[in-house]
Amino acid sequence: QSALTQPASVSGSPGQSITISCTGTSSDVGNYNLVSWYQHYPGKAPTLIIYDVTKRPSGVSNRFSGSKSGNTASLTISGLQAEDEADYYCCSYAGDYTWVFGGGTKVTVL
Amino acid sequence: QVQLVQSGAEVKEPGASVKVFCKASGYTFTNYVIHWVRQAPGQSLEWMGWFNVGNGNIKYSQRFKGRVTITTDTSASTAYMDLSSLRSEDTAVYYCATEESYYYHFWGQGTLVTVSS
Repeated sequence: QSALTQPASVSGSPGQSITISCTGTSSDVGNYNLVSWYQHYPGKAPTLIIYDVTKRPSGVSNRFSGSKSGNTASLTISGLQAEDEADYYCCSYAGDYTWVFGGGTKVTVL
Repeated sequence: QVQLVQSGAEVKEPGASVKVFCKASGYTFTNYVIHWVRQAPGQSLEWMGWFNVGNGNIKYSQRFKGRVTITTDTSASTAYMDLSSLRSEDTAVYYCATEESYYYHFWGQGTLVTVSS
């Protein structure tokens, strides 16, 4: 499968909201409500911040929220903070017991 | 708490094989499927395959089929990822992760594999 499409970079000022898109196809994002999002600091392991499109694991800030429309899922970070500066990856179940990741988005806090 | 501890960095020559291990603790090893994901320098995360520790089922990404083998040793609560016929493009950090209903809840710390002559 091809990687899901994410913008290479998104930036915002502290306190602002930003949205990262994740575009797939009708075979993955569009066909399953099984999109997850991961925050990844360089040199560290990724951490889960959203699963099943909209759900937040216990302990994850409610500033992170997810949504989906058609073949595109989105991650919104509200009240942007310096600590949110990281890489973000979406991931979708793609059927036939396979998974596909997005290309990743670098978030910069100005 | 759940922990996945991976083996240390490796340097391999082109054409060689590498075996990375992922030792699990803090949960019943057979309860989760173990996936392997890699990240080449400057690249995105890439799904490689999974092993269902509970029933022994396996699935590999077509991109690695024939070169990757995922196994487990349930007595040691350890999963292994073996990648053969290494080439420079396989230089990457390799992660193991537990799958909990189609998402990755826990991750290992990553293992850097460098392929260089």
